[in-house]
Amino acid sequence: QLQLQESGPGLVKPLETLSLTCTVSGGSISSSTYYWAWIRQPPGKGLEWIGSIYYSGDTDYNPSLKSRVTISVDTSKNQFSLKLTSVTAADTAMYYCARSQGTRHDYWGQGTLVTVSS
Amino acid sequence: EIVLTQSPATLSLSPGERATLSCRASQNVRNYLAWYQQKPGQAPRLLIYDASNRATGIPARFSGTGSGTDFTLTISSLEPEDFAVYYCQQRSNWPRVTFGQGTRLEIK
Repeated sequence: QLQLQESGPGLVKPLETLSLTCTVSGGSISSSTYYWAWIRQPPGKGLEWIGSIYYSGDTDYNPSLKSRVTISVDTSKNQFSLKLTSVTAADTAMYYCARSQGTRHDYWGQGTLVTVSS
Repeated sequence: EIVLTQSPATLSLSPGERATLSCRASQNVRNYLAWYQQKPGQAPRLLIYDASNRATGIPARFSGTGSGTDFTLTISSLEPEDFAVYYCQQRSNWPRVTFGQGTRLEIK
């Protein structure tokens, strides 16, 4: 059974960089079938796609966040990571990692809450 | 950017009733549409993909229809565990996706 687990600091100061890692277990991140995505959800609000990465390193980002986002992959560790620079209170959210296949995201991590505050 | 508009924002029904949730796309997304269920404190769960295919383990009371710009998620007879928030999502330019704003299904 595939499992995804987010990890990283729960509190980030304004204007600093948010860094999260998603560890994939029960399957290989190097499969040619899937992309791997980061999605976030501000408290009480809807879902926002941040970006996705292929095992080869190819990426695509939400245009509204593109200037601040970097997603990378480490196939040796079966992990992919998110960096979001110059964060503000508007970046406070639950951050999810997920597997992307075709139309859908079929496996999700449990999510990790990141709060931006001094 | 393709915008997905879900309606209604909130739907109040009783267990045993039929629920019909709508998702309208601002452009043609063919059948590249998925539906998710999210309960408080949980990650979204995939229900339907490619507009009408149930995901693994999803009960038959959930069904999806539509193509192009108009899509519907139907729950034929509501169970107590079905009361949650439902999101639609399109991937016409995969892996780039957008989500609707959600429909809250609440107990009447």
